[in-house]
Amino acid sequence: AQSVAQPEDQVNVAEGNPLTVKCTYSVSGNPYLFWYVQYPNRGLQFLLKYITGDNLVKGSYGFEAEFNKSQTSFHLKKPSALVSDSALYFCAVRDQFYFGTGTSLTVIP
Amino acid sequence: SQTIHQWPATLVQPVGSPLSLECTVEGTSNPNLYWYRQAAGRGLQLLFYSVGIGQISSEVPQNLSASRPQDRQFILSSKKLLLSDSGFYLCACTDRANYGYTFGSGTRLTVV
Repeated sequence: AQSVAQPEDQVNVAEGNPLTVKCTYSVSGNPYLFWYVQYPNRGLQFLLKYITGDNLVKGSYGFEAEFNKSQTSFHLKKPSALVSDSALYFCAVRDQFYFGTGTSLTVIP
Repeated sequence: SQTIHQWPATLVQPVGSPLSLECTVEGTSNPNLYWYRQAAGRGLQLLFYSVGIGQISSEVPQNLSASRPQDRQFILSSKKLLLSDSGFYLCACTDRANYGYTFGSGTRLTVV
């Protein structure tokens, strides 16, 4: 069965510092991996996806993610965090219908 | 790209009353459609999904039901709401070209 795991419920980072939100996956075959962001009382918004090709995927709002097949990871990163990045982040695998449990990111001014 | 319209944005209903939440999709045909519930602002619980008109799969036995009367319309219903039905309900779709999910803006349901 396919699954994703987000090991951190909460991540705090100072504004201007780099941020990382972790995701690991368990997939048979080639994975289709996604990151979504959710602001309070809103639907989830697409950030980026990995289907095939370059392991470093660039997405919306300056976010990027690195696909690492040997570590079965797809961590979300941003070089310099903004206070407005504070939100709930979800990792997901296509064709599975299930999302990770979410990581709450707080960027401290 | 597809767009999901979901309404209402907020709803307060008494215990025992019926429920109908509607979701419609634009910009794609023959999408897969999903209803999720999010409790306490965290994890997403998949409630129902549909791969076509009249085809509904239920993930969690509960007080809710879903229907898909048209290709791009997905309805979440209940005959009698319970307090435990309170939560944030999200409609989503996927299509074969886009790979990923598109979400509606959600409905905040409070059962009182």
